[in-house]
Amino acid sequence: KAGVTQTPRYLIKTRGQQVTLSCSPISGHRSVSWYQQTPGQGLQFLFEYFSETQRNKGNFPGRFSGRQFSNSRSEMNVSTLELGDSALYLCASSPGGSGGFSEAFFGQGTRLTVV
Amino acid sequence: DAKTTQPNSMESNEEEPVHLPCNHSTISGTDYIHWYRQLPSQGPEYVIHGLTSNVNNRMASLAIAEDRKSSTLILHRATLRDAAVYYCILRVNTGTASKLTFGTGTRLQVTL
Repeated sequence: KAGVTQTPRYLIKTRGQQVTLSCSPISGHRSVSWYQQTPGQGLQFLFEYFSETQRNKGNFPGRFSGRQFSNSRSEMNVSTLELGDSALYLCASSPGGSGGFSEAFFGQGTRLTVV
Repeated sequence: DAKTTQPNSMESNEEEPVHLPCNHSTISGTDYIHWYRQLPSQGPEYVIHGLTSNVNNRMASLAIAEDRKSSTLILHRATLRDAAVYYCILRVNTGTASKLTFGTGTRLQVTL
């Protein structure tokens, strides 16, 4: 089956602008999690959406937001971009059940550069 | 999630076994040990996980110390395609990718 698809792969934005990134999870998966990866901070959890509701949130400012649609596709939005928001943004898909093990399936990421 | 400690980097020759260590002295009874790896220009991918007993799958083996305060990921015959950053993560088992806590990982170099 198809993997996790993130679009676009690369993006260049100017400080102060906003950006929307998209993630299509594996078919049947209801949970989508977002991560930010930078050289300095490594991989950090942003938030998780499950059945169109935000279920968990990391320690990021309110400029970072997301949503999930009824087909489980998810978008994340970053407003008022700062230079420090330059990063690889990764989306992870998983079934989302409350128990039992499931591996996380990651997309290839969107490389955002803020200039 | 409890903290893990891994060496920053390791080197291996191709077709030799590789043992990647992970210390997790504050592991709790409900924490599973997960390993993910991230190849260059890719998102992380699942490698293996375990609780108490040693585990084997097609990619690797996981050896867990009896006191569970450390574990070792074993690649039986490293190939150039195994060059990646390997992350050891502790967490309770859930059906979600939520709040995976990645440390700095071990960068594995494989040479001919």
